[in-house]
Amino acid sequence: AQSVAQPEDQVNVAEGNPLTVKCTYSVSGNPYLFWYVQYPNRGLQFLLKYITGDNLVKGSYGFEAEFNKSQTSFHLKKPSALVSDSALYFCAVRPSTDKLIFGTGTRLQVFP
Amino acid sequence: EAGVAQSPRYKIIEKRQSVAFWCNPISGHATLYWYQQILGQGPKLLIQFQNNGVVDDSQLPKDRFSAERLKGVDSTLKIQPAKLEDSAVYLCASGQGLTQPQHFGDGTRLSIL
Repeated sequence: AQSVAQPEDQVNVAEGNPLTVKCTYSVSGNPYLFWYVQYPNRGLQFLLKYITGDNLVKGSYGFEAEFNKSQTSFHLKKPSALVSDSALYFCAVRPSTDKLIFGTGTRLQVFP
Repeated sequence: EAGVAQSPRYKIIEKRQSVAFWCNPISGHATLYWYQQILGQGPKLLIQFQNNGVVDDSQLPKDRFSAERLKGVDSTLKIQPAKLEDSAVYLCASGQGLTQPQHFGDGTRLSIL
């Protein structure tokens, strides 16, 4: 079965420190990869995507993600975390002709 | 551009009652999605429309859920009768193709008593 795993329910980081939110996937073919963020009582907001090309993609609010085909991973990163980055982050994978599959989400908590 | 609009934002009903949610996608977006997000989980696709035709409704509980997008623009999702396990946030999203991101509304939080 095709699946997306976010192994950490919560990630805690101090403001100003780098952050990483992990995502691995198990799908056939060459999928399209996405990261979304969800603030309380809001819908999901798109952060960035990987379709093809350079393995390091840059997105909104200073976030970036690194695609690793051999490890089937797409980890979200930011060099310097802000308290306002605290939210729920979802990795999503779309096999080339199929629906979007979401991970279970990782709660990021940035402490002042 | 205006985002995806959903209403109502909150709804509380008793089990076995019916409820309907409305969604207006971003103008020009041919594809419309309804998702169910249960607390602590990622969104799960219920139904996908391409214009006014259904592309995927494989995870829609058709004995109680129905959805329509009659004119290829806005859409309605209905639950009748509601069960306790239907308590969730119902998200609507729209998009323009497989490589493009989906744009989400703020959802309707449904509580079943």
